[in-house]
Amino acid sequence: GESVGLHLPTLSVQEGDNSIINCAYSNSASDYFIWYKQESGKGPQFIIDIRSNMDKRQGQRVTVLLNKTVKHLSLQIAATQPGDSAVYFCAENGQFSTGRRALTFGSGTRLQVQP
Amino acid sequence: DGGITQSPKYLFRKEGQNVTLSCEQNLNHDAMYWYRQDPGQGLRLIYYSQIVNDFQKGDIAEGYSVSREKKESFPLTVTSAQKNPTAFYLCASSIADRVYGYTFGSGTRLTVV
Repeated sequence: GESVGLHLPTLSVQEGDNSIINCAYSNSASDYFIWYKQESGKGPQFIIDIRSNMDKRQGQRVTVLLNKTVKHLSLQIAATQPGDSAVYFCAENGQFSTGRRALTFGSGTRLQVQP
Repeated sequence: DGGITQSPKYLFRKEGQNVTLSCEQNLNHDAMYWYRQDPGQGLRLIYYSQIVNDFQKGDIAEGYSVSREKKESFPLTVTSAQKNPTAFYLCASSIADRVYGYTFGSGTRLTVV
């Protein structure tokens, strides 16, 4: 079946560096994408979203890039801080077109920030 | 403040028992969802509900049951038919008629003892 996946299960970066977390999706019907951050033992928190009519969207220290041609999504975190250490998930709405109005989540990438 | 509350935070179940996980939201959201998360894995959809008194199965509904008698509440029962229930359970809600993201609860960790 169609799914959302991530290329790197664990990403380790130095404090102050920029982080890039990638996500590949396969459902061509997907037109809305979200990044979530999940700290240990907690529920996921919304970071940023993007619709398919955009290629880039910026938030505070975060940028999401969408390449519909290759079905690829990335989350860029500028000046990574220790508080950014968490698991990051991408999610998409591709199944909405089949009547299932629920998001599909990727398997997640763990970001470790080294001091 | 509006939010979504899951209880209890930790739950222990003996084999053969049914247990019910609570999820309550005061965000006036129409849609609610249950996801299961296993260690090092993503979220898998168990059940979701777009409106009161209606719900649909997700990818891993076997061994689980839900009800949606009130807009604010979407309890999940883990039945004895669920052979491997130990996991982290996440409830979420959203505005049903909009393609927006979810608001998640803080989760319930269920352990079979």
